[in-house]
Amino acid sequence: AQSVAQPEDQVNVAEGNPLTVKCTYSVSGNPYLFWYVQYPNRGLQFLLKYITGDNLVKGSYGFEAEFNKSQTSFHLKKPSALVSDSALYFCAVREPSSGGSYIPTFGRGTSLIVHP
Amino acid sequence: SAVISQKPSRDICQRGTSLTIQCQVDSQVTMMFWYRQQPGQSLTLIATANQGSEATYESGFVIDKFPISRPNLTFSTLTVSNMSPEDSSIYLCSVEDGGYTEAFFGQGTRLTVV
Repeated sequence: AQSVAQPEDQVNVAEGNPLTVKCTYSVSGNPYLFWYVQYPNRGLQFLLKYITGDNLVKGSYGFEAEFNKSQTSFHLKKPSALVSDSALYFCAVREPSSGGSYIPTFGRGTSLIVHP
Repeated sequence: SAVISQKPSRDICQRGTSLTIQCQVDSQVTMMFWYRQQPGQSLTLIATANQGSEATYESGFVIDKFPISRPNLTFSTLTVSNMSPEDSSIYLCSVEDGGYTEAFFGQGTRLTVV
């Protein structure tokens, strides 16, 4: 069974400072990993993903994430936070599909608050 | 990438009534998913809807309460039946677009039952 843990309900950071939102996962085999962002009263928007290759993946809005297989982690990072980054962030994992669709498992979400 | 239009965006309903949520995709997709997101919680999968077959429901969700239609490859509806305040939640439709590994989501429907 696959699972995702986001250990922090909320992350607070000052504008201009680097931010990290943590995610660890459990899956049999090689994982597909994703980050999504949800702004108030909106659906989830895809930010970035790791499928294979370079452990550091870059995504939308200046976000990046680092896949660490030994630590089974996929932390979301940004060098300089903006107030507009304040939102709810979800990490998700799924197994590679082989002829069928595999449904992702989502973490519980981390609320990012960037203070001016 | 798939673009999904979901409506209504929000509604306030009386207990005992039903609400149907629509999800329209701008391309043909095989798999469509319906999620519930309760306040402060993560996404919980309600069911998977394939065109031409009965929806597959997750544990804790039943067809009588959440009937789903999938008449073609671009459209699906979820009905929340005989609503109670416990059904107050955000409902999201999602699709898997064959050319992509990530999921795409509608804007969500914020349902309040009074």
